[in-house]
Amino acid sequence: DTGVSQNPRHKITKRGQNVTFRCDPISEHNRLYWYRQTLGQGPEFLTYFQNEAQLEKSRLLSDRFSAERPKGSFSTLEIQRTEQGDSAMYLCASSLKMNTEAFFGQGTRLTVV
Amino acid sequence: KNEVEQSPQNLTAQEGEFITINCSYSVGISALHWLQQHPGGGIVSLFMLSSGKKKHGRLIATINIQEKHSSLHITASHPRDSAVYICAVRLDSNYQLIWGAGTKLIIKP
Repeated sequence: DTGVSQNPRHKITKRGQNVTFRCDPISEHNRLYWYRQTLGQGPEFLTYFQNEAQLEKSRLLSDRFSAERPKGSFSTLEIQRTEQGDSAMYLCASSLKMNTEAFFGQGTRLTVV
Repeated sequence: KNEVEQSPQNLTAQEGEFITINCSYSVGISALHWLQQHPGGGIVSLFMLSSGKKKHGRLIATINIQEKHSSLHITASHPRDSAVYICAVRLDSNYQLIWGAGTKLIIKP
């Protein structure tokens, strides 16, 4: 296992289009987190899964955003009707349990034009 | 006042110098993370600490729970150490990480 994997690495889309990102966590990790990072800022928490259950969603996550982790393994983050303000780096992290180290993927950089 | 403060914001040093980056926090935490972010954006976890000191290669991280302070040290710094170093704390009460603003480190050859 080479760590947390995110696909695609880069995505350019036109405003109004839908996009979907994928995160494959480290295989035995049951916790999975999504963060968003805009230029010059630290990452902002978006949502968190424990196994397949989505336990928390940030207020940052508008109704255009949806995340799933159907079998408790990989997760997808979908953004509908993208806006220019959605342009950011979307980071995924996983951990074995709550107070253990979180491992991050390389991120998906989204540009909405 | 931010709950996690890092200093300095920017640090430029010559190759070989001993580097110290500081992190202070004002909340009760269960753990503190030091992470490294390169220009491409990927984040690498360096350390997770809840007490004491950890060492990995040229990197050393310490935490003083009573003083709510942690330091990241780099010995014999090298240009490949150039990156943004981020301190993040996990609250006692939940799973979220609260992030510092990061320290941009540049090591010149």
